[in-house]
Amino acid sequence: EPEVTQTPSHQVTQMGQEVILRCVPISNHLYFYWYRQILGQKVEFLVSFYNNEISEKSEIFDDQFSVERPDGSNFTLKIRSTKLEDSAMYFCASSEAGTDFEQYFGPGTRLTVT
Amino acid sequence: AQKVTQAQTEISVVEKEDVTLDCVYETRDTTYYLFWYKQPPSGELVFLIRRNSFDEQNEISGRYSWNFQKSTSSFNFTITASQVVDSAVYFCALSGWAAGNKLTFGGGTRVLVKP
Repeated sequence: EPEVTQTPSHQVTQMGQEVILRCVPISNHLYFYWYRQILGQKVEFLVSFYNNEISEKSEIFDDQFSVERPDGSNFTLKIRSTKLEDSAMYFCASSEAGTDFEQYFGPGTRLTVT
Repeated sequence: AQKVTQAQTEISVVEKEDVTLDCVYETRDTTYYLFWYKQPPSGELVFLIRRNSFDEQNEISGRYSWNFQKSTSSFNFTITASQVVDSAVYFCALSGWAAGNKLTFGGGTRVLVKP
């Protein structure tokens, strides 16, 4: 069964460093998403991406964040200068189409900023 | 704006007991979708069910059942004859046409099933 994959599974970085989190969505899916879950809290939407551009972003997704689909398979989330409060689990998700299709989540990348 | 409330933060049961998780939502959309996801201790999010706003029929899948009541804006989830493997955090989520494709999650309910 096709699945969303994410690398790395765990990333440790120092405050102020740039990190890139990588995702490979399911191949025939058209919509891509990033969500964040701070430890012990709920899952929060960051950004959605369709047709090679951001379709929606939350207030969390400030100028420190960017997303890219550099080729036909990868979908990346870049945090330019990490802060302690960026420590969280980051989930990538993809769906065939928009609202009426379920989003399939990857296993997540745990980001620890020290 | 969309909002999902899961009032129960943690429920503890003994194996074989039934457990019902409450979910109440708010949305201005007339067309919307409701979801349940399971997050086991390993951390991944496992999709359980999707229900659209026009389909109020209750659903049963094995030991899982869902009760959607539009009149009370609720989408409750029952695990029948719980097992230790059901121990996880369960999230209710909502998406709607006007609010875009994003999922709005509730705070989650941690279910602990003791042997």
